[in-house]
Amino acid sequence: GAGVSQTPSNKVTEKGKYVELRCDPISGHTALYWYRQSLGQGPEFLIYFQGTGAADDSGLPNDRFFAVRPEGSVSTLKIQRTERGDSAVYLCASSPTSGITEAFFGQGTRLTVV
Amino acid sequence: AQSVTQLDSQVPVFEEAPVELRCNYSSSVSVYLFWYVQYPNQGLQLLLKYLSGSTLVKGINGFEAEFNKSQTSFHLRKPSVHISDTAEYFCAVYTGGGNKLTFGTGTQLKVEL
Repeated sequence: GAGVSQTPSNKVTEKGKYVELRCDPISGHTALYWYRQSLGQGPEFLIYFQGTGAADDSGLPNDRFFAVRPEGSVSTLKIQRTERGDSAVYLCASSPTSGITEAFFGQGTRLTVV
Repeated sequence: AQSVTQLDSQVPVFEEAPVELRCNYSSSVSVYLFWYVQYPNQGLQLLLKYLSGSTLVKGINGFEAEFNKSQTSFHLRKPSVHISDTAEYFCAVYTGGGNKLTFGTGTQLKVEL
């Protein structure tokens, strides 16, 4: 594809449910990033993958959040026991190297927990 | 730790008027600086970035920004705005540690006829 693709574009879930958010990076990009954008705020870093491994997961808010990238391409952000405070836009970005300076962002997944 | 401050949450401006969106950062080390634009219901699009070299950086859609190290600022400017520039603008900083960007809270630019 031409850009970073995120699915679904919108997700409404009930409090306590489990959700998965998918990110398809630009082909060949080795680095992948997840950010979270709450209403009225700038994006906040969650996790960074270099290849298949999570090089930095310091932004994950708690152990309900987990992300994988098993084959070094597609990544899935997983949220267990969702809470209303998890409602936000989840942004994915990828870059051709380990440099965030060359990153391209997807359109995001808007998660609403009711 | 670094931080980014965008003092103006909203900036209204008439079409064809000039605009400046302010960004200040705090960091004790060298920085890379970025401006992103976010149109409604869309992701972030890179407008321009400062990595090194000339402190005046030109980006897409006629925007430019100037890196001022002494004032720790990276203000975004456009000499004549268009209705289509209505969007949210985010300033971000990267200091080389952890490979992550720190974003400001954004400035909503509203261009009116």
